[in-house]
Amino acid sequence: SQQGEEDPQALSIQEGENATMNCSYKTSINNLQWYRQNSGRGLVHLILIRSNEREKHSGRLRVTLDTSKKSSSLLITASRAADTASYFCATGDREYGNKLVFGAGTILRVKS
Amino acid sequence: EAGVTQSPTHLIKTRGQQVTLRCSPISGHTSVYWYQQALGLGLQFLLWYDEGEERNRGNFPPRFSGRQFPNYSSELNVNALELEDSALYLCASSLYNEQFFGPGTRLTVL
Repeated sequence: SQQGEEDPQALSIQEGENATMNCSYKTSINNLQWYRQNSGRGLVHLILIRSNEREKHSGRLRVTLDTSKKSSSLLITASRAADTASYFCATGDREYGNKLVFGAGTILRVKS
Repeated sequence: EAGVTQSPTHLIKTRGQQVTLRCSPISGHTSVYWYQQALGLGLQFLLWYDEGEERNRGNFPPRFSGRQFPNYSSELNVNALELEDSALYLCASSLYNEQFFGPGTRLTVL
């Protein structure tokens, strides 16, 4: 079963614009991770944010975490056509045996 | 540094057959995870191996099994294949919290 839900399900923007994707989850977590998947292939790890962190940056990526609302957001600034992919959030908790529980994903299309 | 590798890339089987998928983790990683990504069902956790032991399994029938070898590589076995087993099977490895994924094996069951 899916732990969380991403919002929106699909997003289409122009190159250079910012893209924001949201993720909600249901249980308490140890950390939350964001992944990118291109064309149904393997997942690329983007960023991990721990439950005691509120914001984290990595290059053009900014992730926020609000544990009181059980939600996270991923912001991609100055998007590029190469950012076109599916983006997933996944929650990890050692109580669940280190497994990741994934949301349904957001399909991002960046038009050049 | 080499990433997680999986073999084969693609596989076509018929109902009732058995299949073995292979995964080599990133050097130094001791944990291996298997996930299934089936159309319409999203990414589902299958199995977690650490130090050669099965540590946790997802909500899958016993015909999904696997093992981890002393060199930390892993196999996923699926017996008595069913049509709904058609999916992308992803392997991930980790040392701490971050899980790093391989390119996946796409299994088609006819």
